Amino acid sequence: DGGITQSPKYLFRKEGQNVTLSCEQNLNHDAMYWYRQDPGQGLRLIYYSQIVNDFQKGDIAEGYSVSREKKESFPLTVTSAQKNPTAFYLCASSSPRGEQFFGPGTRLTVL
Amino acid sequence: AQSVSQHNHHVILSEAASLELGCNYSYGGTVNLFWYVQYPGQHLQLLLKYFSGDPLVKGIKGFEAEFIKSKFSFNLRKPSVQWSDTAEYFCAVKSGGYNKLIFGAGTRLAVHP
Repeated sequence: DGGITQSPKYLFRKEGQNVTLSCEQNLNHDAMYWYRQDPGQGLRLIYYSQIVNDFQKGDIAEGYSVSREKKESFPLTVTSAQKNPTAFYLCASSSPRGEQFFGPGTRLTVL
Repeated sequence: AQSVSQHNHHVILSEAASLELGCNYSYGGTVNLFWYVQYPGQHLQLLLKYFSGDPLVKGIKGFEAEFIKSKFSFNLRKPSVQWSDTAEYFCAVKSGGYNKLIFGAGTRLAVHP
């Protein structure tokens, strides 16, 4: 069953802690993306990776970091430098034509 | 900077009413256009897409969209909505050679039985 998995579904973090969100895909896509979704703001791009061992900042990269050591995996770390991390985070991968497929999301809450 | 504008943030309809959600983009070159839907508690999923050819594209669940290049628009339509169409709808544009999508802010649709 092909698709994108994200874990955990819900995540609670204390202020000052770093947390890492997992994203795995078995669609054999080269490109992967991380978005943040806030009510009334649509999806905003955090980071993207066009190929293994390479990634670029999106529109709101401050306070986040990523790695792309394997084609299937694109984890996102929310660092303590992110001032307003409570949000819904979506991971996606893209076909060569640009059609993006999304995971179920991780809802992060900072306590 | 490229942008995508969705004119309606909230739409409330009764079942069997017709639906049209507006989407305008700012990029003047070749574009690929998408509508995504997010049902309550579910994944964001592709509703329909336009790459080239016939500007009237048909998607899943009876939805269609028309690409009007001169108006930089890609409006989503459905002749008769159902309660199960209650969801949030996002328009997205891919432009140039970059494999990035620019999303609109979304339109939240509520359909009352």
